[in-house]
Amino acid sequence: DTAVSQTPKYLVTQMGNDKSIKCEQNLGHDTMYWYKQDSKKFLKIMFSYNNKELIINETVPNRFSPKSPDKAHLNLHINSLELGDSAVYFCASSHVTDYTTADTQYFGPGTRLTVL
Amino acid sequence: GQNIDQPTEMTATEGAIVQINCTYQTSGFNGLFWYQQHAGEAPTFLSYNVLDGLEEKGRFSSFLSRSKGYSYLLLKELQMKDSASYLCASSSGGYNKLIFGAGTRLAVHP
Repeated sequence: DTAVSQTPKYLVTQMGNDKSIKCEQNLGHDTMYWYKQDSKKFLKIMFSYNNKELIINETVPNRFSPKSPDKAHLNLHINSLELGDSAVYFCASSHVTDYTTADTQYFGPGTRLTVL
Repeated sequence: GQNIDQPTEMTATEGAIVQINCTYQTSGFNGLFWYQQHAGEAPTFLSYNVLDGLEEKGRFSSFLSRSKGYSYLLLKELQMKDSASYLCASSSGGYNKLIFGAGTRLAVHP
């Protein structure tokens, strides 16, 4: 009965490879997010989707491409991985239906990406 | 720009009270969240303030002053399991976009 799940939990790969991280939520939420938490534990928003539509797109290299096949899933694909991409990536979801709403975000367990 | 400041580290004794402060300067402010994050785990929701004043929830309370751009999280009757990072986050810029502070690492000792 996990609320927000991510796969894989750990990902170790070589520089230059392409990888994907998957996220699913069973909370019935409309909005999902991707965050990056670096080695200094600073949590930073990357993207957000509301009902499969991209609504937040921060300054992130275009090697990162989110995809939302439906409102319960938000995947993150990363091309040409670099050393600096090593971090923990968290997915989150929230019952936010429009621009003005604020509500609790529920986080997945995280994916620890290590680029060698 | 968007800026959130909170102390990097704090220590406290089991059974005591600790206050973690957070100041913010963000545009399109729509409320202030506090999250707890244990090492190697996901952030978990603690509290949300959108109006000025104090919100109490068991051992944890959170305060907000919108005019001062200031919030604090108050933890009472500290327990060893409260050792964690506490993240202050401002909902800013629409669709509940959260801007996080760097987090305050709290160490509770016997």
